[in-house]
Amino acid sequence: AQSVTQLGSHVSVSEGALVLLRCNYSSSVPPYLFWYVQYPNQGLQLLLKYTSAATLVKGINGFEAEFKKSETSFHLTKPSAHMSDAAEYFCAVREVYNQGGKLIFGQGTELSVKP
Amino acid sequence: EPEVTQTPSHQVTQMGQEVILRCVPISNHLYFYWYRQILGQKVEFLVSFYNNEISEKSEIFDDQFSVERPDGSNFTLKIRSTKLEDSAMYFCASSEGTGRSEAFFGQGTRLTVV
Repeated sequence: AQSVTQLGSHVSVSEGALVLLRCNYSSSVPPYLFWYVQYPNQGLQLLLKYTSAATLVKGINGFEAEFKKSETSFHLTKPSAHMSDAAEYFCAVREVYNQGGKLIFGQGTELSVKP
Repeated sequence: EPEVTQTPSHQVTQMGQEVILRCVPISNHLYFYWYRQILGQKVEFLVSFYNNEISEKSEIFDDQFSVERPDGSNFTLKIRSTKLEDSAMYFCASSEGTGRSEAFFGQGTRLTVV
């Protein structure tokens, strides 16, 4: 069965530092890949998605992610962290042949940004 | 901007009681979902719904759970007899399609079973 692994349940960076949040998927057929962000007491908001058009995907708020098939990875990065980036980040996949459209989520990574 | 809305934002219920969680998906969307997130754990898929029927459900979605789209705008999740372990944040989502389509999530309903 498809699974998603996010390495590191908590990541702490200083303001202005590089943000790197890791995500690996398990399927042999590359799925559709998504990153969602959850701010406290809010729902999930889409940051970006990979849909096979380009391996480097740019999203909102300066985030981007690179799809690497050889590594089955879709890591999320941002060159310079801002205090407002503090939130929980979820990587999710949708299998290409899934008819119902369900998303399978990773465990989430809580990002803290220190001043 | 269109959004998915969920009511109530917080519901407290006694064990064994029935609860109905309500959602209004985005109006032109065709696929509807329920997910849940137990405190401190990951977001888990419960059920997907398309063309007025369940298209997929997880092992969590047992006979105690049911979904309905009663009037063409609302999408509800019913838990027939709540258990303590049903306490979680429940998220409704909708999308135009599957594949690369973005799923839009509501703010969630925090269900507390006491």
